[in-house]
Amino acid sequence: DAGITQSPRHKVTETGTPVTLRCHQTENHRYMYWYRQDPGHGLRLIHYSYGVKDTDKGEVSDGYSVSRSKTEDFLLTLESATSSQTSVYFCATTGTGNTEAFFGQGTRLTVV
Amino acid sequence: QKEVEQDPGPLSVPEGAIVSLNCTYSNSAFQYFMWYRQYSRKGPELLMYTYSSGNKEDGRFTAQVDKSSKYISLFIRDSQPSDSATYLCAMSEIQGAQKLVFGQGTRLTINP
Repeated sequence: DAGITQSPRHKVTETGTPVTLRCHQTENHRYMYWYRQDPGHGLRLIHYSYGVKDTDKGEVSDGYSVSRSKTEDFLLTLESATSSQTSVYFCATTGTGNTEAFFGQGTRLTVV
Repeated sequence: QKEVEQDPGPLSVPEGAIVSLNCTYSNSAFQYFMWYRQYSRKGPELLMYTYSSGNKEDGRFTAQVDKSSKYISLFIRDSQPSDSATYLCAMSEIQGAQKLVFGQGTRLTINP
């Protein structure tokens, strides 16, 4: 497996609370991504990063923010969690000029 | 209408059968086409990658792209129980994984 670690792997949180998910990579890949996976929708891009402190929005970015202060870490924050954000979240990375995206194991988030 | 459409299944076939998985798309600018395999409770992993139209074969797997019909396929020959997984098609206008658009995924079960 590519060296991508997501934490936590499972989390249950209450509506209205902030939540931060962490993605850590050891591949020195330039690009990092956060996706969410929901039944009937496949994987949808939330935010991505093309370098330290360089991020951009994806298809479903509302209610989410990200930060990347080091090459190896990419944080996803749900500013005020809602039940619609219950999902499985995947982090992915790619190297420069590389088409293959390497995915982490996923974080299962439940907002109650 | 979604940019990429994929029948979610589930699809169940006997061991040894030929499996055909398909995706259609609406964006004629897509040039890069991928198939990812995802085992239960795991992250997706790249299975096949194709640029533009044509066929690509890798062992028991064959990927086909027909850009004129906006249709891609993945064929699995001599299917094995270990092929049981969710298969996701993904597409991009540019090289690299920065702007991947995924289908919903097809859940496949190979019965011994």
